Amino acid sequence: DTGVSQDPRHKITKRGQNVTFRCDPISEHNRLYWYRQTLGQGPEFLTYFQNEAQLEKSRLLSDRFSAERPKGSFSTLEIQRTEQGDSAMYLCASSPGTGGNTIYFGEGSWLTVV
Amino acid sequence: RKEVEQDPGPFNVPEGATVAFNCTYSNSASQSFFWYRQDCRKEPKLLMSVYSSGNEDGRFTAQLNRASQYISLLIRDSKLSDSATYLCAVANQAGTALIFGKGTTLSVSS
Repeated sequence: DTGVSQDPRHKITKRGQNVTFRCDPISEHNRLYWYRQTLGQGPEFLTYFQNEAQLEKSRLLSDRFSAERPKGSFSTLEIQRTEQGDSAMYLCASSPGTGGNTIYFGEGSWLTVV
Repeated sequence: RKEVEQDPGPFNVPEGATVAFNCTYSNSASQSFFWYRQDCRKEPKLLMSVYSSGNEDGRFTAQLNRASQYISLLIRDSKLSDSATYLCAVANQAGTALIFGKGTTLSVSS
């Protein structure tokens, strides 16, 4: 399968713990995105990378959230000191960066903070 | 005004019906528009891009009205398998990311 891959698919954590999600984009896609989706809402943009450079961050991305894409391939999203309000599906997506803005999502990482 | 707004759902239709969804957007400079389909607890999947001239893919037709800043999706001859949430997506002002609506839920019944 050469689609966007996310790991772990499900994570249950206690409030206050740190969690990290990994995303492997479609090969040779130089754009990578993180979105968050809660029940009844559409995906909300969090951040965007062009290769290894983080070019845009939403105001939704509080200082407890950090994302990296060190070599321009896979990316990680870390949430520190998790809160119950962080419970959501975290979606990674990638795009070739040409031919429009079509993005392709991974299956998502479900986070439950208890 | 929200960046992307969609018709409130849910839409409950019988098999074979024609159903239309609308989506309005606030950024008049947006250049890219899409419809995504999302099944329950799954990721959104691209349904179709929306072109200025309108485009059709089988039973699905998408149209763009730049003057009124809305896009639409028409589904003809609805199937049970069309039951899903349909998300409208519009490129942001910088053209670097997509902004999504909340989605409209369609339920097709036999």
